[in-house]
Amino acid sequence: NAGVTQTPKFQVLKTGQSMTLQCAQDMNHNSMYWYRQDPGMGLRLIYYSASEGTTDKGEVPNGYNVSRLNKREFSLRLESAAPSQTSVYFCAGDTNTGELFFGEGSRLTVL
Amino acid sequence: QKEVEQNSGPLSVPEGAIASLNCTYSDRGSQSFFWYRQYSGKSPELIMSIYSNGDKEDGRFTAQLNKASQYVSLLIRDSQPSDSATYLCAVNPNSGYALNFGKGTSLLVTP
Repeated sequence: NAGVTQTPKFQVLKTGQSMTLQCAQDMNHNSMYWYRQDPGMGLRLIYYSASEGTTDKGEVPNGYNVSRLNKREFSLRLESAAPSQTSVYFCAGDTNTGELFFGEGSRLTVL
Repeated sequence: QKEVEQNSGPLSVPEGAIASLNCTYSDRGSQSFFWYRQYSGKSPELIMSIYSNGDKEDGRFTAQLNKASQYVSLLIRDSQPSDSATYLCAVNPNSGYALNFGKGTSLLVTP
């Protein structure tokens, strides 16, 4: 997973709290992505950014916001966490042939 | 929503046998196809990419693509217990931007 770094790796929140998941890459990816992975649901796209300064919604964007701060960084924010957002979150960047490289993941629990 | 379908398994094979993993997709215009391996508690790791019809071999892994039938498969020869993992099929849809993932097939290689 070298090249895509996510923080924090683990987080426990109470319902209604906010937090930001950070992602940084040093592989010169133009595009970056946030997925969530839940048992039985597979990987689902939350948001993506095709280039610096642009972001687009994926399959499950509700309750999330993102910021593409620069080419290296793509953050995911939960403004008011809900138990339904308990999940494992993966950030990824892709090559110009479409291959995705993932960070190690952030495991979030919302009580 | 473009569909990527995989049998969830578990697929159990004895050590040394060939494991065959299959994936079908609904978007006939898809051009790029990927197999990822995911160990429990870890992030997905790219193991194969394939872009044209036919077979592509890399070590013990062979990816097979048939666009007319809309399926892609992964063969693992001489399966080892260390191959036990969940295998995710991913497809880049023709009109979309981000990869669509199947829910994965769990593979168990028994000594």
